[in-house]
Order: sequence, then structure tokens, then C-alpha cells
Amino acid sequence: GENVEQHPSTLSVQEGDSAVIKCTYSDSASNYFPWYKQELGKRPQLIIDIRSNVGEKKDQRIAVTLNKTAKHFSLHITETQPEDSAVYFCAASTGTALIFGKGTTLSVSS
Amino acid sequence: GAVVSQHPSRVICKSGTSVKIECRSLDFQATTMFWYRQFPKKSLMLMATSNEGSKATYEQGVEKDKFLINHASLTLSTLTVTSAHPEDSSFYICSAPPGMSTEAFFGQGTRLTVV
Repeated sequence: GENVEQHPSTLSVQEGDSAVIKCTYSDSASNYFPWYKQELGKRPQLIIDIRSNVGEKKDQRIAVTLNKTAKHFSLHITETQPEDSAVYFCAASTGTALIFGKGTTLSVSS
Repeated sequence: GAVVSQHPSRVICKSGTSVKIECRSLDFQATTMFWYRQFPKKSLMLMATSNEGSKATYEQGVEKDKFLINHASLTLSTLTVTSAHPEDSSFYICSAPPGMSTEAFFGQGTRLTVV
């Protein structure tokens, strides 16, 4: 089955810096790659997603890139703000269940 | 967007009792629902896939007799934790699968505490 690896597990940046979180997946049939932000005890909140027919997608300060050949995708957050501090999860899906990475705790200090 | 409603949001039960968690799709029909478990500071782990009209499929290591899943209709999937023990205390959350152009929709999650 699918296996998703996520790095780093923790990331500390200064306000205004960029943050990059990387994920790799194992199942070449995966075609949907969402990124979530999750607050403690709450459901995951989708922040951006990308499908396998696209190499990059951007939404304001957030962008995701996908390299199907290498089977990895990355989340890029520019001009980070303290409110970006949260736990972020990547996931991969073949159209069925989402398989999640282990998560990254992002801390943005002002 | 589509709404998945999960209840209860929090439940405390005594060891040995059973707890039922419901997940309803409010404005769409879900032939499939996924159930995840999340321990504190950990990721969401897929437990099982609920299929309307057929048996659920369980991930390796998940006890099907302990975590009973029923998909009685196109709008309701339930997870029953039987003979709960403190180690079953966790955050349980359901999700409908992503569509060709839609995201996966999650329930609100259920915080189960077994005392």
C-alpha cells in the first residue's frame, strides 16, 4: 500500500522567512496530494492540494510543487507569519483513502 | 462544499463498555467512508474503509471485532468501539473520499476517553 514520508518533523523559522515541508510517496498510482493544517482536537483543514496532471499550484503565500517522476511533493510558505504556526500534514491518495505523512510542527517566531 | 457531520464530539466511557460514533453525509451520498484514529501529537492513521451494502475492510493490525463498522445507508456510517479500554482513548475521525474535482470531507472528529 501507499507510504508517505514527511520531513522535517519540526521546523522553526523567523517571521517573514520561507518554510518548506517535503513529502515522498511510494504508490505511483497516487494522483491527489493535499496539504492540511490541523489544530489540536480539530479536523484537518485543507490549505492547498494538487493533482497529478499539474506540476505546481499557488495560492497567495502558499504553493505546492509535485514531481511525479521522483514521487515527491513540497509545500512552500512564503513571508511566514506567527499565525502560520501549526501542525501540517501532507497526504496522498489514489482516489480512495488519504494516507498521511507524520506531520510537521511549524513554529514562526516574531 | 459537502458536509460530513460526526457525533459525538466528545465521549467519556468506562472500561468494558461500548461506544458508537456516527458519521453522516448531510448533502451527498457516500458509498464509502474512511475511519481514522489519531493519537496525541501523531498523524492520522487509516483504520478501515466502510462500504455501503458490504463489509468493511480493515487495515493491517486493526481488530475488526473490536472496531465494528456499519454502513447502513448512503448517508450513515458508524464505528463502534466494543469493550473499550484506556488504550483505545484517542481522536477518531471519519472522511468521505476525494472526488475528481473535490477535496476529502472530514467529520468534526470524536475525542474518546476511556476511564
